[in-house]
Amino acid sequence: ETGVTQSPTHLIKTRGQQVTLRCSSQSGHNTVSWYQQALGQGPQFIFQYYREEENGRGNFPPRFSGLQFPNYSSELNVNALELDDSALYLCATMNDRGGNIQYFGAGTRLSVL
Amino acid sequence: AQSVTQLDSQVPVFEEAPVELRCNYSSSVSVYLFWYVQYPNQGLQLLLKYLSGSTLVKGINGFEAEFNKSQTSFHLRKPSVHISDTAEYFCAVSVDSGGGADGLTFGKGTHLIIQP
Repeated sequence: ETGVTQSPTHLIKTRGQQVTLRCSSQSGHNTVSWYQQALGQGPQFIFQYYREEENGRGNFPPRFSGLQFPNYSSELNVNALELDDSALYLCATMNDRGGNIQYFGAGTRLSVL
Repeated sequence: AQSVTQLDSQVPVFEEAPVELRCNYSSSVSVYLFWYVQYPNQGLQLLLKYLSGSTLVKGINGFEAEFNKSQTSFHLRKPSVHISDTAEYFCAVSVDSGGGADGLTFGKGTHLIIQP
């Protein structure tokens, strides 16, 4: 049990729509990262937030955006969905102790039709 | 930028036999190294990590890994596997940049298949 909860577990959208995925973590985990895991692949880093500010980003376009809230919850927003956005989206959090030890949620499976 | 190569996409092993899952990385700076396990339809669970110190790292479920800086490798081993070890295993690296703002870089994964 990592203390990281994601919702919803599954989601179906159509191309062009917008989606919001949610994550909540345990107290003291001030850093949250989001990853995209396509079928049969390893997770790819989307971006990271620290104390409500984005402080790192992978190779993803601006239509992928996020928010982090003071209550240790966060959101991943994806606009103008494309078929290739179909994937498992993972949220990971970590505390301030260093070592980049990230704790993952179970993920949200997004299908874009 | 750093990268991770997991040399085997699939490893079949008989139950109670030993197993080694291979991982090589490339980076121009110091790194932290991780192995994660993913069971079907679940998220990632941390098996073990190398941050500094002893190059032999012990993790959960009887797994261990050895950091070899000269060969840029971090292979995962278990002396005797069980059916319950059937899962996808991911090697990951992050740079030692303090904030970890580059996230984790993952390999493509190795599917460990335990045969009775």
